[in-house]
Amino acid sequence: AQSVAQPEDQVNVAEGNPLTVKCTYSVSGNPYLFWYVQYPNRGLQFLLKYITGDNLVKGSYGFEAEFNKSQTSFHLKKPSALVSDSALYFCAVRDEDDYKLSFGAGTTVTVRA
Amino acid sequence: DAGITQSPRHKVTETGTPVTLRCHQTENHRYMYWYRQDPGHGLRLIHYSYGVKDTDKGEVSDGYSVSRSKTEDFLLTLESATSSQTSVYFCAIGGAGNSGNTIYFGEGSWLTVV
Repeated sequence: AQSVAQPEDQVNVAEGNPLTVKCTYSVSGNPYLFWYVQYPNRGLQFLLKYITGDNLVKGSYGFEAEFNKSQTSFHLKKPSALVSDSALYFCAVRDEDDYKLSFGAGTTVTVRA
Repeated sequence: DAGITQSPRHKVTETGTPVTLRCHQTENHRYMYWYRQDPGHGLRLIHYSYGVKDTDKGEVSDGYSVSRSKTEDFLLTLESATSSQTSVYFCAIGGAGNSGNTIYFGEGSWLTVV
């Protein structure tokens, strides 16, 4: 079985400050990890993924995430948040031998001007 | 955009009626998925397909059926809609091959069962 935990329902930051959205996962084999963002009344947009290689992955819109195998974490980060980053963020995991993604419950990010 | 079209985008239906949601892709992906999104639950997999006429259940498949007669179309049917099936439904494609392991989502279908 595979699962994802996003421990924070909401994250509030001021524009220009660093943004971190936390994610921990559980999977039986090697993990493939993903972050998606959802704006109101829209579908999910892919941000970035970790499959193998460098533990720090960079994605769209200045976001990055660090894979930490010992802590089973894949936290999403942005050095300087923008008001336009306000959205719902989902972490997802799958086993390398499976094609089905499992999602966390989501974290709502609000960036205040 | 990932070449995924969902229809209808919005629907209101009565309890006990059948409802079919359609997902059409132009990317020729082998794998297609139906998820539902509910507050506090994230996205949960309903059914998925790994080829024409090849489908399997996800974690919340009760009350739903699917069919895939062509590579490009994946249909989700609620045989007899219930209020608990009021949700946002997302079709997705990918997970292997030319998607580079990434799954891409459609824009969603908002279903209200009254």
